[in-house]
This record gives sequence, C-alpha cells and structure tokens, in this order.
Amino acid sequence: GENVEQHPSTLSVQEGDSAVIKCTYSDSASNYFPWYKQELGKRPQLIIDIRSNVGEKKDQRIAVTLNKTAKHFSLHITETQPEDSAVYFCAARQEGGYNKLIFGAGTRLAVHP
Amino acid sequence: DTAVSQTPKYLVTQMGNDKSIKCEQNLGHDTMYWYKQDSKKFLKIMFSYNNKELIINETVPNRFSPKSPDKAHLNLHINSLELGDSAVYFCASSQGEGAGYTFGSGTRLTVV
Repeated sequence: GENVEQHPSTLSVQEGDSAVIKCTYSDSASNYFPWYKQELGKRPQLIIDIRSNVGEKKDQRIAVTLNKTAKHFSLHITETQPEDSAVYFCAARQEGGYNKLIFGAGTRLAVHP
Repeated sequence: DTAVSQTPKYLVTQMGNDKSIKCEQNLGHDTMYWYKQDSKKFLKIMFSYNNKELIINETVPNRFSPKSPDKAHLNLHINSLELGDSAVYFCASSQGEGAGYTFGSGTRLTVV
C-alpha cells in the first residue's frame, strides 16, 4: 500500500522567511496530493492540493510542487506570518482506493515574530 | 452552519465502558470517513462509507463498529474501551474521486 514520509517533523522560522515542507510517496499510481493545516485544538483544513497532471500550483503565499518521477511533492510558504504556525500534513490518494488518503506524520511549523 | 459536525466534542470514560460518537454532514457528500489521531498527531484511517456502504475497513479491533444510517450520517460505536483507545477521532466527508476531505471538529476521547 501507499506510504507517505514527511520532513522535517519540526520547522522554526522567523517571520517573513520562507518555509518548505517535503513529502515522498511510494505508490507511483497515486494521483492526488492535498495539504492540510491543523491549528492547535482544531480540525485539519485543506489549504491546497495538486493532481498528478500538474507540476506546480500557487495560491497567494502558498505553493505546491510535484515531481512524479522522483515521487515527491513539497509545500512552500513565502513571507511567513505568526498565524501560519500550525501542524501541516501532506497526503496522497491511493490509486483505486476509494479516495483513501494516506497522511504524512506532520510538520510542526513555528513562525517567530 | 457547520459542514461536518461531531458529538460529543469531549468524552471521558472508564475502561471497559461502551461509547458512541456521532457525525453528520450537510454538504451532500457521498463518502464519509473515520480517522484516529494519536498523541503524536498521526492521522490514520479507520473506516469509510460510500452511500451507506462500507468500502474501507482498516485493521481496527472488532470493538470498533461503524454505522451509517444514511449518507449524511456516520456513527462510531466502541465496545470495552481500553486505555490505548484514547485519541482524537475525526469524522470527514468528501465528494467524488480525488477530492479533499472536510473534517469535523473532532472528538477527544480519554479512557481512564
């Protein structure tokens, strides 16, 4: 089955810096890769996603890139703000798996003013 | 209007008890899920229903039994609760293949 690895587990940046979180997946047939943000005590919320027929997608300060050959995808946050502090999860949809998402272990991002 | 709502939000109970968590979505989605988030924040799928039919059943103890009376509701019943069942349980829903999930607010279960 699909396996998703996520790095780093913690990331600390200064406000205004960029943050990059990387994930690798094992199933080359996976075709959908969402990213979720979970603030303390809250639910995970979808912030951006990318499909396997696209190499990059941007939404204001966040962007996701996908390298299908290497089976990895990354989340990029520019001009970080304290409110970006949260746990971020990547996920991959397992092919033929009824929209089953396999999540990475999460990255705790701390943005210091 | 909460899109995916779970009750209760907190549940503290003793070992050996039986408890239920309820989930309802008003998004018209056809698929619902239960995920367990452990103390290390790892999100692991437990079950999924599509239009009331069980389609994903991960390696979960038989003490956990999901029920979907209709496509807008998915409940989780847990028998003979154990300390290791303590976690946050998230309900989620989605529509179609390759679609992101909308999560409920979670139920924090503490077994003492």
